[in-house]
Amino acid sequence: KAGVTQTPRYLIKTRGQQVTLSCSPISGHRSVSWYQQTPGQGLQFLFEYFSETQRNKGNFPGRFSGRQFSNSRSEMNVSTLELGDSALYLCASRWTSGQTYEQYFGPGTRLTVT
Amino acid sequence: AQSVTQLGSHVSVSEGALVLLRCNYSSSVPPYLFWYVQYPNQGLQLLLKYTSAATLVKGINGFEAEFKKSETSFHLTKPSAHMSDAAEYFCAVTPANQAGTALIFGKGTTLSVSS
Repeated sequence: KAGVTQTPRYLIKTRGQQVTLSCSPISGHRSVSWYQQTPGQGLQFLFEYFSETQRNKGNFPGRFSGRQFSNSRSEMNVSTLELGDSALYLCASRWTSGQTYEQYFGPGTRLTVT
Repeated sequence: AQSVTQLGSHVSVSEGALVLLRCNYSSSVPPYLFWYVQYPNQGLQLLLKYTSAATLVKGINGFEAEFKKSETSFHLTKPSAHMSDAAEYFCAVTPANQAGTALIFGKGTTLSVSS
């Protein structure tokens, strides 16, 4: 079974621009979460989507947004990019039935803001 | 609120030596606990999980961890280190009553293995 895929893998943007990152979960997984990883702040939760609805949100400004499509694929958008948004953005998916709680991560999208 | 503390940002061992990576958690409700490993330029791979069943949990690649409620710890061990174990390791917690939602991660421990 294919794992979580994220596109693109690398991205360079200029301050003030906006960016959209894509995540395709493992087949059958309906929950998708996004995390930001930086050397200073470590791994931080952005938001979780299930059945096209945002269920949980971390402590990030409104410039960070996301959505989920009917096939469970998810996108996250960052508007008005700042230098501090440079990070590895990780997507994770999980089963939502039964007693399973682990999340499976994709390889990430490395965003560099110049 | 939940939090995770990983003692030691960098641990160095010799090949064949015991690996011990420390993780302590703070949680107001029973937690579920996880260890993930991250290799350079890759995402996170799940090593093992504790979800209130057996307190000694065995994972992939010979790793195991023991949940100790009295010590609020979930340390990761491996009896004999291999060069391929060199990576960054993250301990994570999620409250059991919100299982499957946001993971709270520790700052990570980089494991170096020398020959």
